[in-house]
Amino acid sequence: DAGVIQSPRHEVTEMGQEVTLRCKPISGHNSLFWYRQTMMRGLELLIYFNNNVPIDDSGMPEDRFSAKMPNASFSTLKIQPSEPRDSAVYFCASSSTGARDQPQHFGDGTRLSIL
Amino acid sequence: GDSVTQMEGPVTLSEEAFLTINCTYTATGYPSLFWYVQYPGEGLQLLLKATKADDKGSNKGFEATYRKETTSFHLEKGSVQVSDSAVYFCALRGSGGYNKLIFGAGTRLAVHP
Repeated sequence: DAGVIQSPRHEVTEMGQEVTLRCKPISGHNSLFWYRQTMMRGLELLIYFNNNVPIDDSGMPEDRFSAKMPNASFSTLKIQPSEPRDSAVYFCASSSTGARDQPQHFGDGTRLSIL
Repeated sequence: GDSVTQMEGPVTLSEEAFLTINCTYTATGYPSLFWYVQYPGEGLQLLLKATKADDKGSNKGFEATYRKETTSFHLEKGSVQVSDSAVYFCALRGSGGYNKLIFGAGTRLAVHP
């Protein structure tokens, strides 16, 4: 079975540019989570969706960040404009809430570098 | 609110040594508990889980027991290998539902031959 698929794997861009990260969750999963991982702050939950609806976006650092989930098989995380401090690894994870305590399945991440 | 505290790393061991990584939690109700592992350049993978008190989760020689009386879920392995070198995260299922997880800060393990 295909796991969570993220693209691109690596992104290098100049500050001020728009960055779009993409995620395809596991088919049949109805919860999707976006995380950011840095050495300084560790793993941070940015936002999560259930049945394509954003449930909690309190972890989104500021208005430059936005996330959408237009359908059950696709989500985007956008940063506009980007800043060097946004450099991090961004992970997407999905889970099924149909059964109790199903684990989250993580993608391999997008390593983002803002110059 | 719910929280997870892990021992700080890095933990450095020789091959075949015994491993313990401590994890304690604070939560309302009866959370489920998880250990995830992250190998270099990869995402987090579920290693094991326990859903109620006194449950023992186990996988790949690793095990952890859900201790409600001490609010702990320590990870152990009897004999580590170089290939176990990774970052290990303890996590609990938050009370908010939707399988939202609360993660600890992670503990880096380095195993030398």
